[in-house]
Amino acid sequence: AQSVTQPDIHITVSEGASLELRCNYSYGATPYLFWYVQSPGQGLQLLLKYFSGDTLVQGIKGFEAEFKRSQSSFNLRKPSVHWSDAAEYFCAVGPHQTGANNLFFGTGTRLTVIP
Amino acid sequence: SAVISQKPSRDICQRGTSLTIQCQVDSQVTMMFWYRQQPGQSLTLIATANQGSEATYESGFVIDKFPISRPNLTFSTLTVSNMSPEDSSIYLCSVVGTGGKNTEAFFGQGTRLTVV
Repeated sequence: AQSVTQPDIHITVSEGASLELRCNYSYGATPYLFWYVQSPGQGLQLLLKYFSGDTLVQGIKGFEAEFKRSQSSFNLRKPSVHWSDAAEYFCAVGPHQTGANNLFFGTGTRLTVIP
Repeated sequence: SAVISQKPSRDICQRGTSLTIQCQVDSQVTMMFWYRQQPGQSLTLIATANQGSEATYESGFVIDKFPISRPNLTFSTLTVSNMSPEDSSIYLCSVVGTGGKNTEAFFGQGTRLTVV
């Protein structure tokens, strides 16, 4: 069965510092991988996605993620965090057969940015 | 892309009552999805709503508790029936962009439900 693990429930970083949010998945084949952000009172917004090809994926708002098959990971990174990045971040996988039609989400990582 | 409008955005309901959540999409889509986000939990797919057929429910969710309507290709409703405090969650409507499965999922802003 598919599963997604985000081991960090809450992360606090200083504005301007680098950021890495961890995501590990469990699935028999290479799934489709997504990172979403949920700002307070807002819906989920897609940051980036990986289906195939280059394992380093660039997304919006300066985020990137790297797919590492050997580690079953899809960690999200940003070199310099802005105060507006404070939000909840969700990693999700879509089974190869259904892609984004049936997403399995991690429990999320809440990011706090301090001045 | 797709723009999804959900109503209501939040509600506080008495236990034993029902609430119907509406989801309107600005384009025609074949499938619409309903997710639940319980406090401190991940999003969980409740069901997939297809126009012209019965919704398909995921394990642990039943039609009597979460009846779904899909009268046309741009609209769906989810009803949370006979509510209890355990139903307090955020409920989200989602659609997948055109182009098949290799596309992103779009989400509404969610309905924050509190059952007292």
